[in-house]
Amino acid sequence: AQSVSQHNHHVILSEAASLELGCNYSYGGTVNLFWYVQYPGQHLQLLLKYFSGDPLVKGIKGFEAEFIKSKFSFNLRKPSVQWSDTAEYFCAVNPPLGNDMRFGAGTRLTVKP
Amino acid sequence: GAVVSQHPSRVICKSGTSVKIECRSLDFQATTMFWYRQFPKQSLMLMATSNEGSKATYEQGVEKDKFLINHASLTLSTLTVTSAHPEDSSFYICSARRYNEQFFGPGTRLTVL
Repeated sequence: AQSVSQHNHHVILSEAASLELGCNYSYGGTVNLFWYVQYPGQHLQLLLKYFSGDPLVKGIKGFEAEFIKSKFSFNLRKPSVQWSDTAEYFCAVNPPLGNDMRFGAGTRLTVKP
Repeated sequence: GAVVSQHPSRVICKSGTSVKIECRSLDFQATTMFWYRQFPKQSLMLMATSNEGSKATYEQGVEKDKFLINHASLTLSTLTVTSAHPEDSSFYICSARRYNEQFFGPGTRLTVL
């Protein structure tokens, strides 16, 4: 079945450590890709998105993601995390010819001060 | 811009009653809205796609008679959980599509006693 996979369920880092969260999808064709963040008790917020063009996408709060078409991947990165980055991170894909969005299982990030 | 609201934010009801959740796009018109369900510490699962002026499209395994969706205007979609049972307790999130993006509401926490 076509899906979105996030490999890390729970990541624990110390402040200033670098972050990389994996995301792979199995849809063929042209897709739109997103990363969302959900802070405790809050709603989903868009971190960044990729539709076309430069495969290295910069988002808010210092996050970036790289689309590698050959690997069907869209990994999220941040060079130096902060305690305030503690949250749940979701990768999402807008499949080809589809209006809807499919989410990965999410990765919980805990940043220790 | 692109704000989506949900009402109520939290509802507690007795088993067997029906609950209506509203989703509004506040500053844009949305011909398509989506309803998701999120179980604790899990990802968002698409329940249905709501199209203004037509019947909703339900995902496989979602009971259309239990989860009634009405998209009566370009800014309002409603989800009615009919004859709610404790297993329907969950976090329900709507989103509204604007161009190639979806904007998410803050969610509604439903607890069925």
